[in-house]
Amino acid sequence: GQNIDQPTEMTATEGAIVQINCTYQTSGFNGLFWYQQHAGEAPTFLSYNVLDGLEEKGRFSSFLSRSKGYSYLLLKELQMKDSASYLCAAPGDSGTYKYIFGTGTRLKVLA
Amino acid sequence: GAGVSQSPSNKVTEKGKDVELRCDPISGHTALYWYRQSLGQGLEFLIYFQGNSAPDKSGLPSDRFSAERTGGSVSTLTIQRTQQEDSAVYLCASSPGGSTGELFFGEGSRLTVL
Repeated sequence: GQNIDQPTEMTATEGAIVQINCTYQTSGFNGLFWYQQHAGEAPTFLSYNVLDGLEEKGRFSSFLSRSKGYSYLLLKELQMKDSASYLCAAPGDSGTYKYIFGTGTRLKVLA
Repeated sequence: GAGVSQSPSNKVTEKGKDVELRCDPISGHTALYWYRQSLGQGLEFLIYFQGNSAPDKSGLPSDRFSAERTGGSVSTLTIQRTQQEDSAVYLCASSPGGSTGELFFGEGSRLTVL
């Protein structure tokens, strides 16, 4: 089966750190993506993990554990503009690039 | 163009009418995807193309939905006899293909069925 789970909503304060978790169950694995989507806009690419460990990119980092089917997105030094939905995506079937998205986590950053 | 282009950006139609949504991917991208996003929801996979062929059509909600891609470029998603539950934003994305295929999304076509 194909299943990707994320929390529905999170709230954090400007300047803080927030971790958004994603668990997945897919029959194959070709990497896990994180996308950011502001209200009314298209999703934009944030990160890609195919090997275990942490990938750091400025204020954003993404972690993957393939054995646990688990990933997280870490956002540091939160800014108001980080208020958005964060979508986790993974291939649904082995050997294909049919990317299945989680329902997304709506992050609200408060002043 | 530089990005994925979708048209129309907004479409209001009456229940029972047919609609066509168009997607122009980034030039040279071999993979093309259609997703549907209802208000406040995540992305629902509909179909993807590798070149002109669609290896996986399993996400199409019913036989009223069809999609084609010609010349390895433009794709059209057609919804026949639209129903109110078809109201959503239809997002198209393209990718260079391969194992690290980041998806580049268009701005979407917002469909409202009255």
